[in-house]
Amino acid sequence: EVQLVESGGGLVQPGGSLRLSCAASGFTFSSYWMSWVRQAPGKGLEWVANIKQDGSEKHYVDSVKGRFTISRDNAKNSLYLQMNSLRAEDTAVYYCASGLWFGELFDWGQGTLVTVSS
Amino acid sequence: EIVLTQSPGTLSLSPGERATLSCRASQSVSSTYLAWYQQIPGQAPRLLIYGASSRATGIPDRFSGSGSGTDFTLTISSLEPEDFAVYYCQQYGSSPPTFGQGTKVEIK
Repeated sequence: EVQLVESGGGLVQPGGSLRLSCAASGFTFSSYWMSWVRQAPGKGLEWVANIKQDGSEKHYVDSVKGRFTISRDNAKNSLYLQMNSLRAEDTAVYYCASGLWFGELFDWGQGTLVTVSS
Repeated sequence: EIVLTQSPGTLSLSPGERATLSCRASQSVSSTYLAWYQQIPGQAPRLLIYGASSRATGIPDRFSGSGSGTDFTLTISSLEPEDFAVYYCQQYGSSPPTFGQGTKVEIK
């Protein structure tokens, strides 16, 4: 059974940093594109970033470019999102998701809440 | 970026009725890269349809997808109580991947 478990969310002040993690199991992690998708409270879904199987390609939505960095450790079956210079508008539940191709989101974790507030 | 517009915003129906949800793209989307998701409040989204018309594993056959180019449709042939939720379309044929704003299917 595919499992994606996010962690690392919490309350952070504007301008602060946070690192999210996603632990994967039940599938061959190194064979899948991995993505982060977020959902602000009461709002819709927004794709944030993704990374190719071997980490050679990384893509970001414009609003996080230069502030967020996606990475992965295939030996640890883990995905990460380093978030710097956080803003109030980054407040959201962050989901990790897996897929075979760019942008595919076949399986999802349960999400971790990030709140940016003073 | 490709903008996806879903309609209607809210669909009020009774169990057993047919639901038809629309997703219109601002430019042509390859059918290969069009997906639909279901989100029940408090839960993560779940993939229903990929490639515009292929059901994901474990998805009941009352869910079907169709369309091409700029117009796509999700149909639920006969609503079950567990189908009342928010539905999102997504394109992932061009970067960035984008979602529609969602259609809420509520109990009438």
